[in-house]
Formats: sequence, C-alpha cells, structure tokens
Amino acid sequence: EAEVAQSPRYKITEKSQAVAFWCDPISGHATLYWYRQILGQGPELLVQFQDESVVDDSQLPKDRFSAERLKGVDSTLKIQPAELGDSAMYLCASSLSGLPYNEQFFGPGTRLTVL
Amino acid sequence: AQTVTQSQPEMSVQEAETVTLSCTYDTSESDYYLFWYKQPPSRQMILVIRQEAYKQQNATENRFSVNFQKAAKSFSLKISDSQLGDAAMYFCALIQGAQKLVFGQGTRLTINP
Repeated sequence: EAEVAQSPRYKITEKSQAVAFWCDPISGHATLYWYRQILGQGPELLVQFQDESVVDDSQLPKDRFSAERLKGVDSTLKIQPAELGDSAMYLCASSLSGLPYNEQFFGPGTRLTVL
Repeated sequence: AQTVTQSQPEMSVQEAETVTLSCTYDTSESDYYLFWYKQPPSRQMILVIRQEAYKQQNATENRFSVNFQKAAKSFSLKISDSQLGDAAMYFCALIQGAQKLVFGQGTRLTINP
C-alpha cells in the first residue's frame, strides 16, 4: 500500500541552527500539505501545494520558514534559524487533489526538538 | 472562521464496550465535510470516517459510526466493541470549500483490558 514518506523521523538541533525536512507524497497526488502539531494539540496547516504552486501559506512564518516543491513531487520544509518554540511534530500529507472531499493521507512525521 | 471543539481531553473504555467521543464545530457554510482521524502512538494519522454535510444519513464504517446533528453542529464518534488497537488520539476535523482542514484538540482514548 502506498504511503507518504518523511525523513528524518527525529531531529534534535540547537536554536539558531538550520533544519530541513523532506516529504515524498503518494505517487499521483497533486496536493501536498505541511502541518505543525504541537504536543497535545491538533495539526495546523503551514502550507499547501497544488503541484508545484503554493495555494495557502497564510500560517507559515515566512521570516524563518520556507517550503518548496520544485518539480511538483517531493517537498522540503526548512527552518532557519530554529527557535525553541519550533519544537513540534511536522506532518506531511497528500491527496489526489485539493477538493474538500478528498482524503488526506499522512506521513509518520518528523519530531523536532530545539535545544 | 471555522472552529472545531473536542471537550474530552481523555476517555477510557473497557475492551468490548462502546464509547462515544464528542465534537462540536462552527461554520457559516451549509456545505462542508467532517472527518474523524485516528493517530496511534508513534504511527501516522489515518482517516476513520467521513461525513458529507448534505447527507442526512449518518456514516458507518464497520465498528465506527457517527451521530451527525447538523442543526446542533455536533459530530460524535461511536466505537462499538472496543479493541486494544483502538487506543489512540482521535481528532475531529472540518473542511469547507477551498478552505483548509481544521482539527480539534483531540481526545486520547485508552482501552482497558
């Protein structure tokens, strides 16, 4: 069964350092999402891609976060510089399209700890 | 703006018993979709069940069913014959039109053997 892949699974870094997370969606899925999930809370959307274009990045802290999906397939989320408050689980999800009834399939996530 | 509220941070149930998780939401739209997602410990989130707002019939998936009360903006999840593998965080979520998927705070479900 096809799954969303993410790496690394765990990342520990010191504040002010740069970190990057990678996501490979299910083959054929045009829409890719990055979520941030703080411990004990539900995921919150950071950025949504439709193919290689950003559809929604209204909640992405653009002074330190960046995301790209250059060829419309896999995606990278970067934080530079990392802050203590960035410690969270970063989830990637994909769906066939951005239509609301399409199921979003989630990856296992990257747990980031900023020291 | 759409909001989703889960008022039960934790729930527990005996194995083989039935448990109901609560969810309320707020939206100004008449057409939207509601979801329950399950997030097991250290594993990826998976979709449990989906409900279209225009459908009056409650969705059912094997041991999982919902009670969708559109006027009351309520969307509860019932798990029958609870199994140890049902232990997880459960998230209620809402999406409308071109808006983003909005999640509740989650309910941690414990199954007691």
